[in-house]
Parts: sequence; C-alpha cells; structure tokens
Amino acid sequence: QSVLTQPPSASGTPGQRVTISCSGSSSNIGSNTVNWYQQLPGTAPKLLIYSNNQRPSGVPDRFSGSKSGTSASLAISGLQSEDEADYYCAAWDDSLNGPWVFGGGTKLTVL
Amino acid sequence: QVTLKESGPVLVKPTETLTLTCTVSGFSLSNARMGVSWIRQPPGKALEWLAHIFSNDEKSYSTSLKSRLTISKDTSKSQVVLTMTNMDPVDTATYYCARISGWIQLWFDYWGQGTLVTVSS
Repeated sequence: QSVLTQPPSASGTPGQRVTISCSGSSSNIGSNTVNWYQQLPGTAPKLLIYSNNQRPSGVPDRFSGSKSGTSASLAISGLQSEDEADYYCAAWDDSLNGPWVFGGGTKLTVL
Repeated sequence: QVTLKESGPVLVKPTETLTLTCTVSGFSLSNARMGVSWIRQPPGKALEWLAHIFSNDEKSYSTSLKSRLTISKDTSKSQVVLTMTNMDPVDTATYYCARISGWIQLWFDYWGQGTLVTVSS
C-alpha cells in the first residue's frame, strides 16, 4: 500500500472539471508541500504541480493544485482528451516512511 | 537543456546485483543543493522512491530496501550510480532517475525515460 491515498480512477467528459484527491498524514502532507506528476501512457512521469499549487513553465493553467491540512487536490478544468493519464501525488515524509512518499496513482479517463 | 538517461542491463538473474547508471546533462552534480533520485515502477503499479544523493554527498535510502541499495555519484562523469543486491523477480520494474529541485521544499523536475529491468532465470 502507498503511504499517500488516491482514488484508483477518475473520469470526466471533455470540457468538464475533474478533481483528484490525495490523503496523507501529519508527517507528510501535514508538514510538507505536495507535488503532482502526470504520466501519459508509456512515458516517464512529468512534473505537473510543485509546492502545492505552482505550475512549471509550459503546464497549462487548466491544472491547479491545493492543500488543506493532511489532504491535497489536483483539479483539471476544461478537460481534454490528451489529459487521459495516470496522476501521482508525492510529498516529503518526516517519518520512517520517507523521505519521499508517493500516492498509488489515479487513472484519469476522458469519456 | 536538462536531460537524464538511465542505462544498465535489461535482464538480471535472481540473486544477482543490479547496477544502473544515470547520466545527466544540462546541469552539474556539484551545483549547490542539486540532487538525483532513483524511483521505480513495477509493470502496472505505482511509483516507488528508492534513493537519493545530493551534491554535498548526502544520501538517503528507502527504509524497506536500505540493506540492498547503494547510491553514489561521479561528478566528473556527470553520473549517478545505483546498485541493488540480491535481485528478485518482484524487483522487475522500470527504473527512473530524476533530478531533485527546490531548496527547503523539494520536487522532481526532470525525469529520465526509464529503463525496464526484468529479473528472471
């Protein structure tokens, strides 16, 4: 089992807004920032959101991140077919689980 | 342009030692607070962090795999090497190296393409 908990799947139709949750604990999300990675089929993960809500250059503003307490969320607005991918949250963990922990990943399907 | 590239054997036998090399370009392993991590992903499964090394030679390992892992770097060759002993079929995975960026809060900003390692006799 992954230290961070994500729903295994999510779906939406083009144009919709979808959110993916990531639940942790006080030793990881509760005391450190959250990063999100997008993994398109057959490719390496790519940084999508860092430090809870920052987008690297080139990432569309349709993607946004937020954090509250020991949970975080990734929101995708104006869903597009090319957003179909696996999404992973990650955080630094101050306990023996760490220092780095990942979520189990969420497979996003664009219907 | 920052790039990372993993190299190593495609197939290893059970009980053998795996040695993977990550060759980086576009940045120096001696830059302040620069680091590289190894992360793996079994087929169809989630990402699992394995180890990291920073420019000051600070190292850290996954608690569950610590006894089997060794990470090192050769700054002159721009390479980070991971060795994993006593390989088992459950270690079959795509192994990625990724650059660590940030200062107090950190993240993996660039990833290699990954190398699939199969453990089988």
